[in-house]
Amino acid sequence: DQQVKQNSPSLSVQEGRISILNCDYTNSMFDYFLWYKKYPAEGPTFLISISSIKDKNEDGRFTVFLNKSAKHLSLHIVPSQPGDSAVYFCAASVSGGYQKVTFGTGTKLQVIP
Amino acid sequence: ETGVTQSPTHLIKTRGQQVTLRCSSQSGHNTVSWYQQALGQGPQFIFQYYREEENGRGNFPPRFSGLQFPNYSSELNVNALELDDSALYLCASSGGTNEKLFFGSGTQLSVL
Repeated sequence: DQQVKQNSPSLSVQEGRISILNCDYTNSMFDYFLWYKKYPAEGPTFLISISSIKDKNEDGRFTVFLNKSAKHLSLHIVPSQPGDSAVYFCAASVSGGYQKVTFGTGTKLQVIP
Repeated sequence: ETGVTQSPTHLIKTRGQQVTLRCSSQSGHNTVSWYQQALGQGPQFIFQYYREEENGRGNFPPRFSGLQFPNYSSELNVNALELDDSALYLCASSGGTNEKLFFGSGTQLSVL
């Protein structure tokens, strides 16, 4: 049962344009959402997060939007840069108790110079 | 500040063998989690250790076990290896059980 879904395995975007990565979840208990970026031969690196009490969180070029009613979140990267080329994982967890983070399958972003 | 380090980086084992993977957590972090990432998949939660005790476990059989030491470093042990255990094993540390995770680069395990 895939509780966090990233339906686009890959995405190509021109440098300078907006990249939009999408994620859907099924578990209504999730109340904390994260995006991680992964380069080859490296571990995932935390990028940005959002709590379920918010619908938007911004950090520089990165903005995450959360639509709780649709159980959908998205990551916007503006402007996209070639160094952003990586695999992006959407992840979710439930606050309290131990921390089990549930990851999606990832979207490979390629930013074309 | 020292990040999360894992050893070895690559490992080849045969079916039925046992393996031990090691992880040194980031300084100041008392919580360690282990994840398995199969090819084309996202990381899957194996278990979490907090102050030397396992305090959460994912859907993995008992042949996956772990330890956390007083210095908060950790080991993942897998007994009776199966072909499907071939994956990237990621260790992550955090400053608490609900803090963001800092990952190591992983150990690539191949079971032949």
